[in-house]
Amino acid sequence: AQSVTQPDIHITVSEGASLELRCNYSYGATPYLFWYVQSPGQGLQLLLKYFSGDTLVQGIKGFEAEFKRSQSSFNLRKPSVHWSDAAEYFCAVAAGSGNTGKLIFGQGTTLQVKP
Amino acid sequence: DTGVSQDPRHKITKRGQNVTFRCDPISEHNRLYWYRQTLGQGPEFLTYFQNEAQLEKSRLLSDRFSAERPKGSFSTLEIQRTEQGDSAMYLCASSPAPRADMGDTQYFGPGTRLTVL
Repeated sequence: AQSVTQPDIHITVSEGASLELRCNYSYGATPYLFWYVQSPGQGLQLLLKYFSGDTLVQGIKGFEAEFKRSQSSFNLRKPSVHWSDAAEYFCAVAAGSGNTGKLIFGQGTTLQVKP
Repeated sequence: DTGVSQDPRHKITKRGQNVTFRCDPISEHNRLYWYRQTLGQGPEFLTYFQNEAQLEKSRLLSDRFSAERPKGSFSTLEIQRTEQGDSAMYLCASSPAPRADMGDTQYFGPGTRLTVL
């Protein structure tokens, strides 16, 4: 069955430091992968997505993610974190027919940013 | 560009009462999804529609839950005889018709927070 694992439940980084959030997936075919961000009490905002092609994808707010098929990973990175990046981050894989339909989400990683 | 909207944003109800939530998708998006998110967890899929047809329902969607999208535009999610375990954030998302080069990208609304006392 398809699944997504985010090994880090909580991460704290200093403002200006680099960030990497880990995501591992289990999926039989080529996955369609997503990263979303959620601020407290809010819905999810799409940061970036991978469908095919270049394995390094750029997103909004200076985020990028790299798809590594050999490691079944899709880690999210940012070179310099801002205090406004503090939020919860979710990795997801499209699990329906033709890589459409329902998303399966990881448990999420809460990012805290120290001044 | 108007995003996905959900109403109400918050709902407090007593156990055993019925509640109904509404979701208005992005204009011309023909797919509409419902998810449930409990504290500290990622969203879990409940059901989705393509136009007015309900294409998939999760096993999470018990008989007390029903969703409709009568004219292929807005959708409602009703929970009958609510239980304390139904307390959660209910998220709606919409997406345009899937494309071979872009897949199926879902855009989420702000959610409805349900508290069952």
